[in-house]
Amino acid sequence: KAGVTQTPRYLIKTRGQQVTLSCSPISGHRSVSWYQQTPGQGLQFLFEYFSETQRNKGNFPGRFSGRQFSNSRSEMNVSTLELGDSALYLCASSLAGQGKVNTEAFFGQGTRLTVV
Amino acid sequence: GESVGLHLPTLSVQEGDNSIINCAYSNSASDYFIWYKQESGKGPQFIIDIRSNMDKRQGQRVTVLLNKTVKHLSLQIAATQPGDSAVYFCAEAISGGYQKVTFGTGTKLQVIP
Repeated sequence: KAGVTQTPRYLIKTRGQQVTLSCSPISGHRSVSWYQQTPGQGLQFLFEYFSETQRNKGNFPGRFSGRQFSNSRSEMNVSTLELGDSALYLCASSLAGQGKVNTEAFFGQGTRLTVV
Repeated sequence: GESVGLHLPTLSVQEGDNSIINCAYSNSASDYFIWYKQESGKGPQFIIDIRSNMDKRQGQRVTVLLNKTVKHLSLQIAATQPGDSAVYFCAEAISGGYQKVTFGTGTKLQVIP
């Protein structure tokens, strides 16, 4: 069974640009969550999608958005990039909400975004 | 707001000794507490979780203890091995079919051979 796949692995963007990151969850998982990881702030929750609907949202500005497709694949977009957006962006999938009270989230390896 | 924090940023342990990683949380509404391990260049990996109606849970070489009175969580690793070297995160989650997890800042465990 393939794990969570995130693409691309590395990305360099210029301040002011926008970026789209992709996440393919484990087959059968309908919940996909996104996290931002930085040395200073640790892992911070961005949002969670389930069956193409955003169920939860963290405390990030509106420049951060996401969506989920009918096949559960998810994308997140960051517009008007700032230097502080440089981080490792992690995606996790789980069976949460599918009749299971299951907190085990499976993470991808992340996309390392550098804003210059 | 809710927050989860760790007492020690770095923990050095001799190989073969037991490790204890501590964590404080603030949200009394959390139903689950989870420990994740993150190795360099990888995403976090689930280790063990515990429900709020339990105070202890054991896995393979790991034990999680939950003290709701003082809002404290700990991870004990028995016979620590070099492969245990990683950053460990505690996290809290609120159930209801939703997957919103609040992570702590992480503790780096260094195993000395």
